[in-house]
Amino acid sequence: DVKVTQSSRYLVKRTGEKVFLECVQDMDHENMFWYRQDPGLGLRLIYFSYDVKMKEKGDIPEGYSVSREKKERFSLILESASTNQTSMYLCASSLPTGGNSPLHFGNGTRLTVT
Amino acid sequence: AQSVAQPEDQVNVAEGNPLTVKCTYSVSGNPYLFWYVQYPNRGLQFLLKYITGDNLVKGSYGFEAEFNKSQTSFHLKKPSALVSDSALYFCAVTPSGNTGKLIFGQGTTLQVKP
Repeated sequence: DVKVTQSSRYLVKRTGEKVFLECVQDMDHENMFWYRQDPGLGLRLIYFSYDVKMKEKGDIPEGYSVSREKKERFSLILESASTNQTSMYLCASSLPTGGNSPLHFGNGTRLTVT
Repeated sequence: AQSVAQPEDQVNVAEGNPLTVKCTYSVSGNPYLFWYVQYPNRGLQFLLKYITGDNLVKGSYGFEAEFNKSQTSFHLKKPSALVSDSALYFCAVTPSGNTGKLIFGQGTTLQVKP
């Protein structure tokens, strides 16, 4: 089974801090994604990556950046955390099969910014 | 704009009764359609997908979904609900040929009562 591991289940950070969310997958998937989940809004795509050192903006990239130095690891960075970034963050990976492969999700990181 | 709509925030059914969770979409081209389930404090799990072919697709845990191109719908169904089916359900879509970036609905909470 594909395993997507997010390093933290819960994080509490202060406004203005730089925050790193880490995600590792063990199935050699080319595609990796970062979503945020908010009640009533579903999942919104922040950034995605199709290969090492490659990244593309999703629907809500403002205030975030990403890093993919190795195929298995995709990091989400909040450059200067703000209270409106309090949310559940979900990492996912998939095969590069033109969109018909399901995403495999980690268990999420619930981030609170105070 | 491409979008997915789940018109019901919550669906309540009695155990043993059939259930339906509704989903409609608006995307260009021929879509790939997915259903995911999320249990409390967990990531999303893949249930089933429609890529092409038979409009009725079967998935995990006895769930099925019917693709209706004319109504642009992809409703999730199960003939007999279980209390353990209670969870948050997400419909998602990607235009065919996409690299896997999914557009999610806002989610529907399914509550199955004994």
